[in-house]
Amino acid sequence: GQNIDQPTEMTATEGAIVQINCTYQTSGFNGLFWYQQHAGEAPTFLSYNVLDGLEEKGRFSSFLSRSKGYSYLLLKELQMKDSASYLCAPGAAGNKLTFGGGTRVLVKP
Amino acid sequence: SAVISQKPSRDICQRGTSLTIQCQVDSQVTMMFWYRQQPGQSLTLIATANQGSEATYESGFVIDKFPISRPNLTFSTLTVSNMSPEDSSIYLCSVGEPGRTNYGYTFGSGTRLTVV
Repeated sequence: GQNIDQPTEMTATEGAIVQINCTYQTSGFNGLFWYQQHAGEAPTFLSYNVLDGLEEKGRFSSFLSRSKGYSYLLLKELQMKDSASYLCAPGAAGNKLTFGGGTRVLVKP
Repeated sequence: SAVISQKPSRDICQRGTSLTIQCQVDSQVTMMFWYRQQPGQSLTLIATANQGSEATYESGFVIDKFPISRPNLTFSTLTVSNMSPEDSSIYLCSVGEPGRTNYGYTFGSGTRLTVV
């Protein structure tokens, strides 16, 4: 089965850094995805980690530790448009994605 | 990445009726999935749509309630049968390729269903 835990909500100031943690337990793990979802829109792909370590993509970075069942998404130089929900999704057997409850990030001026 | 056309974008339906949602992809894709997102919640996987065979359902979802078709590698439908107000939700299809997971899975724009 799947067990995914991430904070419900985080608030940060424009220009700051926010780190969203995700812990998971999943069978047949085959990588960790992060998605962004703005209210009323479909999720959009942000990052994928299959090996341990940090993957950097512009202002967004994602980290994975497979042995600890742990990942984080790091958002730097926050902008107002980054206010959204961020979804942690471990890939599992059958290439299925199961999503965590999502972390709602509110960026304040 | 693949471009998905999902229809209808929204609908209001009477309880007891059925609605079929279509997902059309602009290229052949190996994997297609159907998700439900209830108001204020995250996404819940309903089933994996298998081309040419019966869909694989997740725990809590059954074929009689959510029949799925996938006649080819570019198209799938999800039917929500005998609807009740509890079925009011957003339904999304998602596609991906096993060898291109670093590009992520793409989602359709969703179908917002309200059952009255």
